[in-house]
Amino acid sequence: GESVGLHLPTLSVQEGDNSIINCAYSNSASDYFIWYKQESGKGPQFIIDIRSNMDKRQGQRVTVLLNKTVKHLSLQIAATQPGDSAVYFCAETMMDTGRRALTFGSGTRLQVQP
Amino acid sequence: DGGITQSPKYLFRKEGQNVTLSCEQNLNHDAMYWYRQDPGQGLRLIYYSQIVNDFQKGDIAEGYSVSREKKESFPLTVTSAQKNPTAFYLCASRTGLSTDTQYFGPGTRLTVL
Repeated sequence: GESVGLHLPTLSVQEGDNSIINCAYSNSASDYFIWYKQESGKGPQFIIDIRSNMDKRQGQRVTVLLNKTVKHLSLQIAATQPGDSAVYFCAETMMDTGRRALTFGSGTRLQVQP
Repeated sequence: DGGITQSPKYLFRKEGQNVTLSCEQNLNHDAMYWYRQDPGQGLRLIYYSQIVNDFQKGDIAEGYSVSREKKESFPLTVTSAQKNPTAFYLCASRTGLSTDTQYFGPGTRLTVL
C-alpha cells in the first residue's frame, strides 16, 4: 500500500464549486477501487466504487475516474456543499485473492468555504 | 454506519491491561474486518474473518487477538503486548459475494492512560 504521512493534504474550495480529489494507488494488480468519506470521529462512509474494466463511473453529484496506465484515481464532486467537508480516502483491492481486504491511501481533507 | 455497531465509543485502558472491543452486525455479512487508524493517517488492517470460526492476521496483528464464534460478532482484544494501542479502531463487514465493498461501524477510540 501507499506510505502514510502525518499531515493530510488539504483541498479548500468555495461552496458551489466543483472539487477534484486525487489518489495514486500502489498495486498495478488491484482491480477494484472505492472512495470513502470520513467525518471527524466517525467511521468511513461508502461513496462510490469502480472496477478496473471501467474508466469512469458516475453517481449522484460524484464521478470517479480511473487511469490504470498511471495508477491514478480521482473523485469529482459537483457543486460542493458544506456537508461535503470531510476526509476522503481511496481504497484498492484485488478481488481474486482470498484476503479481499482493502488497502487505504492516506486521505485528503476537503474544506468547503461558505 | 449501516447495521454495524461498535461499543464502547470511548475506552480508556491502563498500561498492562487487556481490553475487548465489541463489533456486531445484523447485515448477514460473511466477512468482517478490524482496522486501526492513527491521527492523520489511513486505515491499517489488523485481523479479518471470512467465515465463522476462521480468521486471519492482517498487516499489524501483533498485540491483538480476535474470535469469530458467531456470524454477527467479531470482537477484538487489545492485549498488553500491543505497545502503542492508543488509536481509533474501526470494524467493517462485507457480504462475501461479488462485491468487495466494506461497510464500517462508527468506531471505538481507545486511549491508554
